Amino acid sequence: DAKTTQPPSMDCAEGRAANLPCNHSTISGNEYVYWYRQIHSQGPQYIIHGLKNNETNEMASLIITEDRKSSTLILPHATLRDTAVYYCIVRVDPYAGGTSYGKLTFGQGTILTVHP
Amino acid sequence: AAGVIQSPRHLIKEKRETATLKCYPIPRHDTVYWYQQGPGQDPQFLISFYEKMQSDKGSIPDRFSAQQFSDYHSELNMSSLELGDSALYFCASSFLKSGTSFYNEQFFGPGTRLTVL
Repeated sequence: DAKTTQPPSMDCAEGRAANLPCNHSTISGNEYVYWYRQIHSQGPQYIIHGLKNNETNEMASLIITEDRKSSTLILPHATLRDTAVYYCIVRVDPYAGGTSYGKLTFGQGTILTVHP
Repeated sequence: AAGVIQSPRHLIKEKRETATLKCYPIPRHDTVYWYQQGPGQDPQFLISFYEKMQSDKGSIPDRFSAQQFSDYHSELNMSSLELGDSALYFCASSFLKSGTSFYNEQFFGPGTRLTVL
């Protein structure tokens, strides 16, 4: 799986948008970008994933650059409960990779602190 | 909605003892993953099972073993415990057989906190 690079920490004011960047310059054509977050000592939580098109769900939006070498997770209206470690993970789609069963390789994520 | 259940939630053991952690995946999920998260570290993949067969293996020590049973629950067995095994152990499940990546998101349990004294 391709390596990702994220800033170690970010701050955001409550109610404002949080934009979390991720670099994945060695991403392959069959690799997806996944975002998970972990609120203190809880199990990681899936947020969103995408291949090359921008994606949006009830939690967040994912913007992937045209060359797919970087992406940005957007939390449109951050709340105090969004304070967590956010992980950007690149991995082969289990249905496209043949031998992949979808394990997640967590790297150093971004500690997002939302303050009042 | 049903979630992943892990038991026990907390476990305290002495060095060289054994421990068994249990994981009950979400109903209909066919894949179970185990992750270890040491203090101040990121989760690390240990092992996974798809349809009761080992499907992938990560940095799991030889002292650890795991299996998935006919009812799809999984157990992680840890022997000759060391101080460095103290960690949060997460189990996650997903539904790979659904055939679409959209449903492959992994749902994590609350974790078992193992303390080795």
